[in-house]
Amino acid sequence: GAVVSQHPSRVICKSGTSVKIECRSLDFQATTMFWYRQFPKKSLMLMATSNEGSKATYEQGVEKDKFLINHASLTLSTLTVTSAHPEDSSFYICSARDGGRAINEQFFGPGTRLTVL
Amino acid sequence: AQSVSQHNHHVILSEAASLELGCNYSYGGTVNLFWYVQYPGQHLQLLLKYFSGDPLVKGIKGFEAEFIKSKFSFNLRKPSVQWSDTAEYFCAVNTKAAGNKLTFGGGTRVLVKP
Repeated sequence: GAVVSQHPSRVICKSGTSVKIECRSLDFQATTMFWYRQFPKKSLMLMATSNEGSKATYEQGVEKDKFLINHASLTLSTLTVTSAHPEDSSFYICSARDGGRAINEQFFGPGTRLTVL
Repeated sequence: AQSVSQHNHHVILSEAASLELGCNYSYGGTVNLFWYVQYPGQHLQLLLKYFSGDPLVKGIKGFEAEFIKSKFSFNLRKPSVQWSDTAEYFCAVNTKAAGNKLTFGGGTRVLVKP
């Protein structure tokens, strides 16, 4: 149980285009999902917290107009990188908190590698 | 604000050697502590967690960690590593004060030589 999927696993796009990444909880309801960014050989940096049915809470320094987050259902959150540029190339990881389990545990998706040319 | 530091960035050891990875956090209140592992090409997996109770926590794959409150530490140990333990290991903390958001350490890349 507690499986989180992400789609796509890899995406290459041209500079200036927008890219949508999906995060799904497959066998549980995720009232809260988190989006992280991982640079090469670096740790995970929390970008935003997404609560179902409400606006996402962004961490300091993360542009909310650049990284649009939507959490329209209890099993799906999306991250849209708008007008992507090469510096947005990174590994994006989502996690989800299972509302039916211990509140402090998150389950991670496999990540999406974004390359902006 | 909470923070986590992992002092070892890279560790190289041989099979059957013992492993200990350091993790220190800075926060004066109640914390929840985690160790995650990321095998090459795979996603983060939870190795073990500490919420309360016995400070010696046993996780999967023979790993354990000890919470020492006085030292603000949560070091990860394994008595005898295998080649398959080659991975990156992340310590993380969350607190109620920070909305239970996870803060990760910088990670330790472990290479086990066969």
